[in-house]
Amino acid sequence: GQNIDQPTEMTATEGAIVQINCTYQTSGFNGLFWYQQHAGEAPTFLSYNVLDGLEEKGRFSSFLSRSKGYSYLLLKELQMKDSASYLCAVTDSNYQLIWGAGTKLIIKP
Amino acid sequence: DADVTQTPRNRITKTGKRIMLECSQTKGHDRMYWYRQDPGLGLRLIYYSFDVKDINKGEISDGYSVSRQAQAKFSLSLESAIPNQTALYFCATSDQQDTGELFFGEGSRLTVL
Repeated sequence: GQNIDQPTEMTATEGAIVQINCTYQTSGFNGLFWYQQHAGEAPTFLSYNVLDGLEEKGRFSSFLSRSKGYSYLLLKELQMKDSASYLCAVTDSNYQLIWGAGTKLIIKP
Repeated sequence: DADVTQTPRNRITKTGKRIMLECSQTKGHDRMYWYRQDPGLGLRLIYYSFDVKDINKGEISDGYSVSRQAQAKFSLSLESAIPNQTALYFCATSDQQDTGELFFGEGSRLTVL
């Protein structure tokens, strides 16, 4: 079966750095997405990786290793508004999007 | 105004009632999707449509039906609502020419008593 694993919840301190991991086992691979979702709101796009390596976008970076079935989202200089759930999703060989359950990130002052 | 609009945003209904959730978009995308989200679970695909004449079942289509009335409109129906259909429902669109990034509506919270 297809599976995406990410931690259920993480806690970090304002101003610090946090890394949210995602591992996947899917039928093929055609890209990996990270979305941010504030409570009760719609998911919004953060990043897309299709090749190995690090993609940097401001305070957020996303890394992909296709051989290891692994990605992480790195958030720097954490702000209180970063408190949200972070969803990892993989496009499989049929271009179907498989979603992880999300990681709830709690930021403390 | 939102590019992807869902109505209603909140709905409380009773078991056995018919419910329709509507979605309209101004992004000009051909592809539209309906997902449900439950606490502790990932987004689960109910139905998707790649154009007006193309409707496909997702992983959890039982108990649901859809209609693609136009490129911009995609509605989800629960013919006879049951309590375990209580969830947050999202409509989303994507552009076939792009990476597959999804653009979500604001969500419709449905409670079935």
